[in-house]
Amino acid sequence: NAGVTQTPKFQVLKTGQSMTLQCAQDMNHEYMSWYRQDPGMGLRLIHYSVGAGITDQGEVPNGYNVSRSTTEDFPLRLLSAAPSQTSVYFCASSFVGQGQAFFGQGTRLTVV
Amino acid sequence: KQEVTQIPAALSVPEGENLVLNCSFTDSAIYNLQWFRQDPGKGLTSLLLIQSSQREQTSGRLNASLDKSSGRSTLYIAASQPGDSATYLCATISGAGSYQLTFGKGTKLSVIP
Repeated sequence: NAGVTQTPKFQVLKTGQSMTLQCAQDMNHEYMSWYRQDPGMGLRLIHYSVGAGITDQGEVPNGYNVSRSTTEDFPLRLLSAAPSQTSVYFCASSFVGQGQAFFGQGTRLTVV
Repeated sequence: KQEVTQIPAALSVPEGENLVLNCSFTDSAIYNLQWFRQDPGKGLTSLLLIQSSQREQTSGRLNASLDKSSGRSTLYIAASQPGDSATYLCATISGAGSYQLTFGKGTKLSVIP
């Protein structure tokens, strides 16, 4: 009964490095999304996908790339990390048309 | 653009008290509304989902109501316990293909034994 699994849980990057945050769900949800949570800003949508092969931008997409080759996986790529990307990142999934979202435990990223 | 506001930002109550958390939103054309709980350093746990056609949902000591026309939702917690201490977030869910969640900044609840 895994639900939404995010890896890693913690990560420290140097400015300019790249990395991929992994997200996998085992509920056969069509809809997956990435949010970042910052103090005083709340949770903001980065990118989302309504199915394999389909992705779209959210509120704060700059500096992030996504792809969706399978229903289960939705990785988030940071191409060149910046200190402004220091945040806690959450992945979520749901059935399209039902709406109840399930969240992973988050990845705490620090860019120095 | 949807804006979600939660008042108060923080709330401290003695154990056993009934309490109400408030959530307001600017665009009433929502698909659903969802209440979450977040413990420090943890992810979001879904508490209740209210579909746009519903007025309320109940789960145990929790009851959430939705009034789309006035852009308001409330989360009622009965007989509060110290284990209820957490941050409570409400989020509207848009339709029209994006199903985007727009979050409020949360209410931090402390239940004092």
